[in-house]
Amino acid sequence: QVTLKESGPALVKPTQTLTLTCTFSGFSLSTSGMRVSWIRQPPGKALEWLAQTDWDDDKFYSTSLKTRLTISKDTSKNQVVLTMTNMDPVDTATYYCARTIAVADYNWFDPWGQGTLVTVSS
Amino acid sequence: DIQMTQSPSSLSASVGDRVTITCRASQSISSYLNWYQQQPGKAPKLLIYAASSLQSWVPSRFSGSGSGTDFTLTISSLQPEDFGTYYCQQSYSTPLSSFGQGTKLEIK
Repeated sequence: QVTLKESGPALVKPTQTLTLTCTFSGFSLSTSGMRVSWIRQPPGKALEWLAQTDWDDDKFYSTSLKTRLTISKDTSKNQVVLTMTNMDPVDTATYYCARTIAVADYNWFDPWGQGTLVTVSS
Repeated sequence: DIQMTQSPSSLSASVGDRVTITCRASQSISSYLNWYQQQPGKAPKLLIYAASSLQSWVPSRFSGSGSGTDFTLTISSLQPEDFGTYYCQQSYSTPLSSFGQGTKLEIK
């Protein structure tokens, strides 16, 4: 059974750096084809893809946020870490991690973690 | 970037109704389109991938169709447990994917 769980601070101040950890089980990020993504959802709003890390250490970022994001993995701990610098109240959102499945040229997110709500406020 | 637009933004329907949600891409995305269901306070769950393939847990009353720029999610006979918000997602430009704004489905 594949599971993912996000952890990190519930509250950060403006200009601070956010660090979130996704701890997963049921698969290994050292296995060819495995990928993990981060996706966020502001309260009452739509989903926004943020970043992806692959088994071969390739990394990809949202065009609009790439200067602020860093994604990394620790395969020995089954963890993926996302850092986001210079946090602003508009970054208040629930942050999800999800396994990214790739079959042929098709990709989808399944399953997702439960999400962690991060509020940016002074 | 590829923009995804869903319609309607919300709808209310009765148990047993046939419900259709539309998703339109700003450019052709072939069949690189996924649908997710999100119930209140929960994480999204994959419903349909590659435009028309049902995830294993999904009841057969759900179906997906379309290719190019226009896609539909259909629920043939709405059930009480189908409430929630539905999102489409394009994976044509993967890994830089994008989601629609969501369609909130309420049961009358």
